[in-house]
Amino acid sequence: EVQLLESGGGLVQPGGSLRLSCAASGFTFSNYGMSWVRQAPGKGLEWVSGISGSGGSTYYADSVKGRFTISRDNSKNTLYLQMSSLRAEDTAVYYCAEQNYGPDVWGQGTTVTVSS
Amino acid sequence: DIQMTQSPSSLSASVGDRVTITCRASQGIRNDLGWYQQKPGKAPKRLIYVASSLQSGVPSRFSGSGSGTEFTLTISSLQPEDFATYYCLQYNSYPWTFGQGSKVEIK
Repeated sequence: EVQLLESGGGLVQPGGSLRLSCAASGFTFSNYGMSWVRQAPGKGLEWVSGISGSGGSTYYADSVKGRFTISRDNSKNTLYLQMSSLRAEDTAVYYCAEQNYGPDVWGQGTTVTVSS
Repeated sequence: DIQMTQSPSSLSASVGDRVTITCRASQGIRNDLGWYQQKPGKAPKRLIYVASSLQSGVPSRFSGSGSGTEFTLTISSLQPEDFATYYCLQYNSYPWTFGQGSKVEIK
């Protein structure tokens, strides 16, 4: 069974940094691209970033480009999202998802709150 | 960027009703579209991929159609567990983009 478990969320001040992790199990992690998707309180879903199976290609939404960095460690079956220069509008639940014709299986999410 | 326009934003329906939700892409995306269901406090769940393929384990009352720029999600006979918010997503080109969501409420 495919499982994804996010961690690393929390409360951070504006301008601060945070690194999210997503531990994957139940599938050959390096064979699949992965994505991060977020949802601000009471709002819709927003795709944030994606990465190829090898990690050689990365993609970002305009809203996070230059501030967020997606990466993966295939030896640890783990996906990361390094977030810097955080803003109040980055407050959201962040989900990781396995890519198979778009996001397929999703994690349960981790909450990031940017506030002073 | 490709814009996804989803309608309606909300609807009220009764158990047993047929429900249709539409997504329109600002440019052609072939059939690179998925439909997701989300219930409050839960992660989204995929229902449909490549526009019309039913995700394993999803009831057959859900169906998807369309190609190019016009797509439809249909629930043939609404069940109590189907009251939720539905989103389309295009994954034809980066950045991937979601529709605004359609909330299906009890009438």
